[in-house]
This record gives sequence, structure tokens and C-alpha cells, in this order.
Amino acid sequence: AQSVTQLDSHVSVSEGTPVLLRCNYSSSYSPSLFWYVQHPNKGLQLLLKYTSAATLVKGINGFEAEFKKSETSFHLTKPSAHMSDAAEYFCVVREGNAGNMLTFGGGTRLMVKP
Amino acid sequence: ETGVTQSPTHLIKTRGQQVTLRCSSQSGHNTVSWYQQALGQGPQFIFQYYREEENGRGNFPPRFSGLQFPNYSSELNVNALELDDSALYLCASSLAVRGATDTQYFGPGTRLTVL
Repeated sequence: AQSVTQLDSHVSVSEGTPVLLRCNYSSSYSPSLFWYVQHPNKGLQLLLKYTSAATLVKGINGFEAEFKKSETSFHLTKPSAHMSDAAEYFCVVREGNAGNMLTFGGGTRLMVKP
Repeated sequence: ETGVTQSPTHLIKTRGQQVTLRCSSQSGHNTVSWYQQALGQGPQFIFQYYREEENGRGNFPPRFSGLQFPNYSSELNVNALELDDSALYLCASSLAVRGATDTQYFGPGTRLTVL
């Protein structure tokens, strides 16, 4: 069975400082991993995905994530936060043989202070 | 924007009623998945449709059912509504090739409130 744990339910940073959103996963098979962002009253937007190619994945809006198999982690980072980054972020796992079902973490709410 | 549309955007129903939610896939996609997102939680997988047949189901009772049409649009039907069914319902479309699904792209969701 697959599962995802987002280690922080809330993260607060100042504008211009780095962002780190932590994610650990559990998967019996080679997983695909994703980060999605959800702005208030909006649907989910794909930030980036890992599908067994390069372990460092670059996404949209300056975000990137590193797949570390030994640590079963897929943390999301950004060098410099913008006010527009304030949103809910979801780490998501899809097992190779799980019928294409996505399993979401509980989410991390990112707050950006001016 | 992903090109995935959902209707209606908001809906209010009472306990025991039935509801139908609709989703139009992104052009070129042949697979639709439905998710339920309760307030303050991550989305939970309900089921997926591929080539008009159910292709995987999460831990939801049979009163949650769906359809996929030849144009790949989809419906989610919920019978005998309960208060706990109040949530944001998200539809995601993707392209499946030889059974493997690519990235899922989400619509804006339908907010269902059950009174």
C-alpha cells in the first residue's frame, strides 16, 4: 500500500526567504511522485513530477524537489518566496501498479509574510 | 488553466437526496478520475473511468457511482446523500496508453453542501 506524510501542516516564511515543504512517502513499488498546489477556492495545479528519471526535478514558478530513495523523501523547495506562493501544497504518490490511483498527503499550508 | 471543466460550481442538497456532478475532460484525454476533498483534508480517490468502464475504486460505498461517455466526459452520481458527503468534488483527466496513466490534470471542482 502507498501512503504520504507531509510533516508540517503549516509553514510560515517571510517574502524573499527560502521555502522548504517536507514530504515522506511509503510505496511497495517504484513510485511516481508529484507536488500539486491549491489556491483558495481553486482546483489543483501541477507543480512538478518525478517519474524515475532525474532525481532533482524542476517545476513551475521556481519550485524544485529532490527524490531521495534511501530517505523515502520528496521535499519541495524554492530559493525565494513570493507573496503569490501562499497556498495549500499537496505531496502525491502513485504506485506503478496501483491502477493509476493518486494518494494525497494531508497538505501543507504555506503562509508568506511581507 | 487545465482545460478540465466541471459543473455546477456550487450545489446545495438535503439529506437523502441524489446529486449528479459533471466533468468535461481536457482535449485528447481518455481517462477521468474523481476525488472527494473534505474541508481541511487532502483529496481522496473515489474511482477512475477508462474507455467507459470503471478502472479502479477507492474506499467509497456503492451509492457513489459514475459514468463515462464516448466523448470521455463523465458524471459522478451520489445517492442517499449524507451530511458527511459535504465536500469539494474534483475531477481529473489524463491520457492512458497501454493501461498506464500519465499526469492527471484537475478541474476547479464542485462544492457540494448537504443540509
